[in-house]
Amino acid sequence: AQSVTQLDSQVPVFEEAPVELRCNYSSSVSVYLFWYVQYPNQGLQLLLKYLSGSTLVKGINGFEAEFNKSQTSFHLRKPSVHISDTAEYFCAVSDPGGSYIPTFGRGTSLIVHP
Amino acid sequence: DGGITQSPKYLFRKEGQNVTLSCEQNLNHDAMYWYRQDPGQGLRLIYYSQIVNDFQKGDIAEGYSVSREKKESFPLTVTSAQKNPTAFYLCASSIIRADPNTGELFFGEGSRLTVL
Repeated sequence: AQSVTQLDSQVPVFEEAPVELRCNYSSSVSVYLFWYVQYPNQGLQLLLKYLSGSTLVKGINGFEAEFNKSQTSFHLRKPSVHISDTAEYFCAVSDPGGSYIPTFGRGTSLIVHP
Repeated sequence: DGGITQSPKYLFRKEGQNVTLSCEQNLNHDAMYWYRQDPGQGLRLIYYSQIVNDFQKGDIAEGYSVSREKKESFPLTVTSAQKNPTAFYLCASSIIRADPNTGELFFGEGSRLTVL
C-alpha cells in the first residue's frame, strides 16, 4: 500500500514570499498525485493533479507542483503567497494498478503573516 | 450547481447517543466515502461504497455504520460504541466508471461533531 509523507506539519511565511510544501510517497511505480487545499471549517478542494505527461503541473490560485519520479516527490510551490493562502494543504496519491482510493498525507498548515 | 451537501454543519450530542450525519450528492458519482479528520492526523477512511446496497469498511470503521439505499445518499451513523467520536467528518464522492479512474475526490463542506 502507498504511504504519503508531508515533511512539514506547519510552514510559516511572510506575505509575498515564495513557499514550498513538501510531499514524498512510498512507491516508485506509476501513480496519480494530487494536492488539495482546506480552508478553516470547510471541505477539501482540488488544487492540482498529476496523471501523466509534463512533470510540471499548474493549478489554481497560482500554485504549481513538480513530479519527480526518481525522488518519489511531488512538492507544491507558489512564487508569492497571499494572506488568503493560509490554509491546510494535503498531498494524496492513488495507484492506477490497484485500489483507486487515494492515500492522504497528514497535511501541512501554511500560515501567511502580513 | 452540482455538489455534495453535508448536514448538519455542527452537531452536539451527549455520550451514549447515536447520531446520523447526512451526505447527499447530485454529481451522479458512483462512489461515496466517509472520512474522519483529527488535528495532525490527516484524513482517515471510515467507510466507502461503490454501488447502491453495498459498502466496505475503511481503516477505522469500528463504532460507525452506513447505508447506501440510493445512489445520491450515503448517511453515516456514529454509534455509542465509538469511543472518541468528537471530530470533523468529511463526505466525498468520485467517478469510478472512468478511463482512467484516477481516484480524484470531490468533498462536501464537512460536519463537526462534538460529544459533551
